[in-house]
Amino acid sequence: EAGVVQSPRYKIIEKKQPVAFWCNPISGHNTLYWYRQNLGQGPELLIRYENEEAVDDSQLPKDRFSAERLKGVDSTLKIQPAELGDSAVYLCASSLSVGAGNTIYFGEGSWLTVV
Amino acid sequence: AQSVTQLGSHVSVSEGALVLLRCNYSSSVPPYLFWYVQYPNQGLQLLLKYTTGATLVKGINGFEAEFKKSETSFHLTKPSAHMSDAAEYFCAVSEDGGGTSYGKLTFGQGTILTVHP
Repeated sequence: EAGVVQSPRYKIIEKKQPVAFWCNPISGHNTLYWYRQNLGQGPELLIRYENEEAVDDSQLPKDRFSAERLKGVDSTLKIQPAELGDSAVYLCASSLSVGAGNTIYFGEGSWLTVV
Repeated sequence: AQSVTQLGSHVSVSEGALVLLRCNYSSSVPPYLFWYVQYPNQGLQLLLKYTTGATLVKGINGFEAEFKKSETSFHLTKPSAHMSDAAEYFCAVSEDGGGTSYGKLTFGQGTILTVHP
């Protein structure tokens, strides 16, 4: 069974340019997460979806970040315009459903460098 | 609010030695606790988790962790380190307290494990 798939794996852009990351969760997983991991730190949740509904986006910087999961399957995270401080790894993850004890499966991440 | 503290950002052991990675948490409700491992340039892989029941949890690759409520700890151990264990390890907590944060994982800062020959 395929895991969480993310693309692109690596992206280098100039500041003020837009960038988008795509994620395809594990088949059948209703809950999808986007986390951001800064260098030397643990991941931090940006947004969580239950099917196509964003149920927790309190940590998403809405002035420049947007996300969508239109059909409740794959998802896109966009940054426009990018800033130097956005350099990080963007991790997509999924789980069967929301549940405090449910295992969350992570993709390999999209590594963003803003220059 | 839940939080996680990992004591020691770097731990170095010799091959064959005991591995001990420390994790303390704070939570207003009974927690669910996780350890993830991250190899260079890869995503996070679940090592083990505690939800309910037995407080000593066994995971993959010979790792185990013990939930100690009185100490609010969930330390990760492995009796004998292998070179392939070199990676970054993250402790995380999730709460069953309802609301929009239900099921949200809060991670510690991570501990980099180095294994010397």
